[in-house]
Amino acid sequence: GENVEQHPSTLSVQEGDSAVIKCTYSDSASNYFPWYKQELGKRPQLIIDIRSNVGEKKDQRIAVTLNKTAKHFSLHITETQPEDSAVYFCAPISMDSSYKLIFGSGTRLLVRP
Amino acid sequence: KAGVTQTPRYLIKTRGQQVTLSCSPISGHRSVSWYQQTPGQGLQFLFEYFSETQRNKGNFPGRFSGRQFSNSRSEMNVSTLELGDSALYLCASSLSGGADTQYFGPGTRLTVL
Repeated sequence: GENVEQHPSTLSVQEGDSAVIKCTYSDSASNYFPWYKQELGKRPQLIIDIRSNVGEKKDQRIAVTLNKTAKHFSLHITETQPEDSAVYFCAPISMDSSYKLIFGSGTRLLVRP
Repeated sequence: KAGVTQTPRYLIKTRGQQVTLSCSPISGHRSVSWYQQTPGQGLQFLFEYFSETQRNKGNFPGRFSGRQFSNSRSEMNVSTLELGDSALYLCASSLSGGADTQYFGPGTRLTVL
């Protein structure tokens, strides 16, 4: 939580390529790491999350990896498709004490057909 | 289960007026959070309620307030509207807040003229 940075702010890839978005946080107490996807004109939706006792989690074409030492986690999308075009937000949080989600500034992903 | 609903979906107000937005969470969810979304500032946390108590608050002026009712429905109020308050206001519900999955409503688009 607290200071959260996302990179890159925009990402354009060719359909079929991979995309990686990185989220860096400052609160060392963070132990829950979700990624949200927001398509144009729609509400944000959770697509994948990871907890601090796990280093990597996969769900079909998406995966999240966590480096707690370096305080960053990344979203990986393989074999990108046009429907992956959206804004992606990270929102690390400490499960112990905070009820305040601090979202990253978002990454706009464009998948070119 | 019905999703999170927000009313109204669109609002147009003039500077100086006040506005009340409503959020009905998913049945059984006791935590409701509010966010302001603007193109320039991304998703910013306003406040979070659980069992009618505000547990956390973001960095917004006192013109922004909220409450939660015994049925978990929540309202937020903005008084003395300013042009800069024009935004999409999203609410999200979860079972208990924190690291629970947040389910977002469709948002209320507020335009201040």
